[in-house]
Amino acid sequence: GQNIDQPTEMTATEGAIVQINCTYQTSGFNGLFWYQQHAGEAPTFLSYNVLDGLEEKGRFSSFLSRSKGYSYLLLKELQMKDSASYLCAVKDYGQNFVFGPGTRLSVLP
Amino acid sequence: DAGVIQSPRHEVTEMGQEVTLRCKPISGHDYLFWYRQTMMRGLELLIYFNNNVPIDDSGMPEDRFSAKMPNASFSTLKIQPSEPRDSAVYFCASSFNADWPQETQYFGPGTRLLVL
Repeated sequence: GQNIDQPTEMTATEGAIVQINCTYQTSGFNGLFWYQQHAGEAPTFLSYNVLDGLEEKGRFSSFLSRSKGYSYLLLKELQMKDSASYLCAVKDYGQNFVFGPGTRLSVLP
Repeated sequence: DAGVIQSPRHEVTEMGQEVTLRCKPISGHDYLFWYRQTMMRGLELLIYFNNNVPIDDSGMPEDRFSAKMPNASFSTLKIQPSEPRDSAVYFCASSFNADWPQETQYFGPGTRLLVL
């Protein structure tokens, strides 16, 4: 079956670092994506991993371990505007994207 | 480019009525996806098209739902008859040359549907 797990909610302080974890079990694997979704808006692409290791893009980094079915999104120097939901998604076969439930991050001053 | 365009942005209807959601993908994108998002079930893929042809509709919940893509710049998702449990945000997304593994999807603003 298809299963992606993420924590439901997280809270962090402005300027801090937060790590959002994602574990997955899918029938296939063609890459893992992270999306950011602000309340009432559409998801927007943040990062992509297909090989094991860390991908860094400015304040955001994403890590993948395919053998463990595990990924995390690391957000550094948190800003108030980073308050949003973060969706982990696996492209399992063809163009089939399976999304996790999302993690709602609240950044406090 | 204007991005993915969806209409209407909000729809309120009564149970039993037909609902038609519309989507215009980004020009040049050859894949189009329809998703539904609810608090309970998150973001679910309903159906996707490649070059206007439906490829996988296994996510379509039941026969009340149908989707068409008559040309490269337009798609519809129809619910007939609608039920209160269909209330959700419906997103359309498109991507270019999605055979590249790293190719992401670009989402439209969504249609917020409320069925009373």
